[in-house]
Formats: sequence, C-alpha cells, structure tokens
Amino acid sequence: AQTVTQSQPEMSVQEAETVTLSCTYDTSESDYYLFWYKQPPSRQMILVIRQEAYKQQNATENRFSVNFQKAAKSFSLKISDSQLGDAAMYFCAPTGTYKYIFGTGTRLKVLA
Amino acid sequence: DTGVSQDPRHKITKRGQNVTFRCDPISEHNRLYWYRQTLGQGPEFLTYFQNEAQLEKSRLLSDRFSAERPKGSFSTLEIQRTEQGDSAMYLCASSLIGRNGGTDTQYFGPGTRLTVL
Repeated sequence: AQTVTQSQPEMSVQEAETVTLSCTYDTSESDYYLFWYKQPPSRQMILVIRQEAYKQQNATENRFSVNFQKAAKSFSLKISDSQLGDAAMYFCAPTGTYKYIFGTGTRLKVLA
Repeated sequence: DTGVSQDPRHKITKRGQNVTFRCDPISEHNRLYWYRQTLGQGPEFLTYFQNEAQLEKSRLLSDRFSAERPKGSFSTLEIQRTEQGDSAMYLCASSLIGRNGGTDTQYFGPGTRLTVL
C-alpha cells in the first residue's frame, strides 16, 4: 500500500525568502510519478510540479523545484523568492498508474 | 479549454435526502476521477472512469454512493440517504491517458461542498 507523510503541518516563510516542504512516501510501484499540488483557501487544486521517478534530474518550474531522492523515498519542494500568492495548502502525491495518494498537506504562510 | 467544471459548487441537504453532483471534464480527457476531501485532510480517492467504464471503486464508496459516466463525457456522483458523515468537499479530476497507458497529470475542478444537516 502507498503511504505519504508530510511531517510539517504548517510552515512560514518571509516574502522573497526560500522555503522547503518535505514529503516522504512508501510505494511498491516500480514506475511512478510524483506531484506537488497547491490548494489556496477555498480554491481548487492546482498542479505545481511533476517528477517522473525514472528521471534522475530534479524537476524545476520557474521558482519551484524538487529534491527527489528515490532511494530514500523523499520528494521535497523548494519555493524560491516566495510571494504572497504562494500561501496555500501544499499536497504531495506519488502515484502509480492512475491513483493519487495524497499526504495530509502542509499549510504555507507567507509573511509580508 | 475551460478546465474541469463541477455543479453545484455548494449543496446543503437534510440527512436522509439524496443528492447528485455533476462533473464536466476537460474535453478529450478520457479519464475522470472522484475524490472526497474532509477538512484538514488531503483528497481521498473514491473512483475513476476510463471513458465510460468505471474501473475501480474505493472501499470508501459505500453502497449509498453511485457514479456514472454515460458516453464517456460528463460524470455524476449520487449519494443516497445522506448522513452527516458525508459532509465533505467532493472533487472531480480528469486526465488524458495515451494508448501505452502510464500516468498523466490530473486536473482538478473547483469541487462541490456538501453539508448534511
């Protein structure tokens, strides 16, 4: 069975600073993908970044990047130059062929 | 591309009533998923369709829940004899899976928030 652990229920970051959100997981899949989604208050889930597990190179998407450690089953998200609009719940979701298993989320607060 | 849409956005009902939610996926997307999200938790998988076929149902989906996707386009999720424990956000997502399978990115709708009094 897949499990996902996001050990930081809440994080705070000063505007323009960098923050890292952690995620560890367990899976029996040999080929899988990993996603980070953000969910702003009362708004829908938005894809932040995606990583294919077979790729060694860490994914980047503008100010967002991941540190993927396959052997350690760790998939952290780094947000650089944090902006007020980054404030949201962030969910980590590793997946096999179709099913997303979400963590409990990390609430990110951005301080002006 | 207008994204995934869900209707209604909010539903308040009394215990014991039936409710039905609708999801319109991104056009051309062949997979459609339903999730349930309770306050402070991540979404939990309920069921998914590939085209019109319902391929898996979670054990969370009791016999009071039924989902359909006629003609492989929009989908409906019906809850019969609602209970207070059914109060949650119901999320729909869609994706496009190629002929070789694999995982593709799921795009989520805004959700339907159900409150059972």
